[in-house]
Amino acid sequence: DAKTTQPTSMDCAEGRAANLPCNHSTISGNEYVYWYRQIHSQGPQYIIHGLKNNETNEMASLIITEDRKSSTLILPHATLRDTAVYYCIVRVQADSNYQLIWGAGTKLIIKP
Amino acid sequence: DAGVTQSPTHLIKTRGQHVTLRCSPISGHKSVSWYQQVLGQGPQFIFQYYEKEERGRGNFPDRFSARQFPNYSSELNVNALLLGDSALYLCASSFSGLGANVLTFGAGSRLTVL
Repeated sequence: DAKTTQPTSMDCAEGRAANLPCNHSTISGNEYVYWYRQIHSQGPQYIIHGLKNNETNEMASLIITEDRKSSTLILPHATLRDTAVYYCIVRVQADSNYQLIWGAGTKLIIKP
Repeated sequence: DAGVTQSPTHLIKTRGQHVTLRCSPISGHKSVSWYQQVLGQGPQFIFQYYEKEERGRGNFPDRFSARQFPNYSSELNVNALLLGDSALYLCASSFSGLGANVLTFGAGSRLTVL
C-alpha cells in the first residue's frame, strides 16, 4: 500500500517556483523520503531524498516538516522541461533489503 | 558511462506465453531491482538482487522469477502471461542494496499481452 498522498495534478508558470506537497503521515523514524520524476513513460529520474533535515541539490530543495508527516519538493525556477509526473516515495526496510513504495504521483504542467 | 540498459524496449506476447526481460546495471553497481508500472500508476516493487542473491520480493505470483549473473546483469522471467501483465517493466541499479542508496532506472521494457 502506498504510504504517500499527493495532489493528482498541478500547474505552474514558467520561471516561477513549483512547490509540490506530499503527505506521509504513517512514515516511520528510519524511513527516508525520496522524490523521482518521470517524463512520459521514460524511466524515473532521481531528484532528491532526505530523512529529517531539509536538503538541497542542483535540481531541487526538499523541505520536511519537523514531525516528518509531510514534505514539499521545490523546483526553484521551473522550465517547460520540468513538465512530468513527480513521485513522492517512502523507502521502507523489509528484512535485508530496502523497497521504494510509490504513490500515484503528481502530474506537474509548466505553462509558458 | 552507459546508464542502466534494458532489452527489449518493446515486445508483444499472447496470453500463456513466456517472456524474458534483460537488464545491464551501471558499471560498478552490484544491486539490481525490478519494478512493474501499469499505465497510470506508480511503479511496484517486484524483486531486488544483490551480489547474485535475492534480497527482496514484492507481492507478485510465482510466475515471476528473476536471477542475477556474475557480471551483475539480471533477467526477469514471467511465465503463463496474463492480460494484466501488460506494463512497463523497469530495472534499477545501485551500488549496494543497503543504506541510503539512489536507484538509477533504465528506460524500461514495455510488454503488451494480447
